[in-house]
Amino acid sequence: DAGVIQSPRHEVTEMGQEVTLRCKPISGHNSLFWYRQTMMRGLELLIYFNNNVPIDDSGMPEDRFSAKMPNASFSTLKIQPSEPRDSAVYFCASSALQGYTEQFFGPGTRLTVL
Amino acid sequence: AQSVTQLGSHVSVSEGALVLLRCNYSSSVPPYLFWYVQYPNQGLQLLLKYTSAATLVKGINDFEAEFKKSETSFHLTKPSAHMSDAAEYFCAVSGAGGTSYGKLTFGQGTILTVHP
Repeated sequence: DAGVIQSPRHEVTEMGQEVTLRCKPISGHNSLFWYRQTMMRGLELLIYFNNNVPIDDSGMPEDRFSAKMPNASFSTLKIQPSEPRDSAVYFCASSALQGYTEQFFGPGTRLTVL
Repeated sequence: AQSVTQLGSHVSVSEGALVLLRCNYSSSVPPYLFWYVQYPNQGLQLLLKYTSAATLVKGINDFEAEFKKSETSFHLTKPSAHMSDAAEYFCAVSGAGGTSYGKLTFGQGTILTVHP
């Protein structure tokens, strides 16, 4: 099992540019989660999907952030336009069932917005 | 709403000493509770989980945690610390219903340092 795959692992961009982060969940998992981790705010859940449908996007900070899951094996998190305060590590996680089964985390994408 | 409080953002122990990382939760319904570990520049990996079965839960690398409903606690322990245990540890609670079902709410994390 390859685990959750995220790309790119590192992204450096300039303020105002569009950034797209990608995630491939573990095959067979039907829930997918996007998190952001910063020193100041810790781990924050941004959005999660169940069976490719967004269930809760209350953690998405503002309209500049959007996420899609066009099929069971792929999701994107897009920031447009990016700002320096978006600099963080973004994690994708997947799980087989909600609730009592654990979430498996990807290695993260470290985003730096200059 | 669910919440988690981890007492102590930094814990330092000597190699071979007991590790105790504290976690208290708040939940209006029976919770599912998790401990995750994060090594530098890596994602989170599960140490152990409580899902309303046995109150004493054993995990990987000799870690264990005890669910105490009366104290709303889920503290993580390990009898003897190894240098390789140095990492950041997160306690998390899973939502039990509605749109919060399946959501993990994380504590702020505790950085464990192990001295030789």
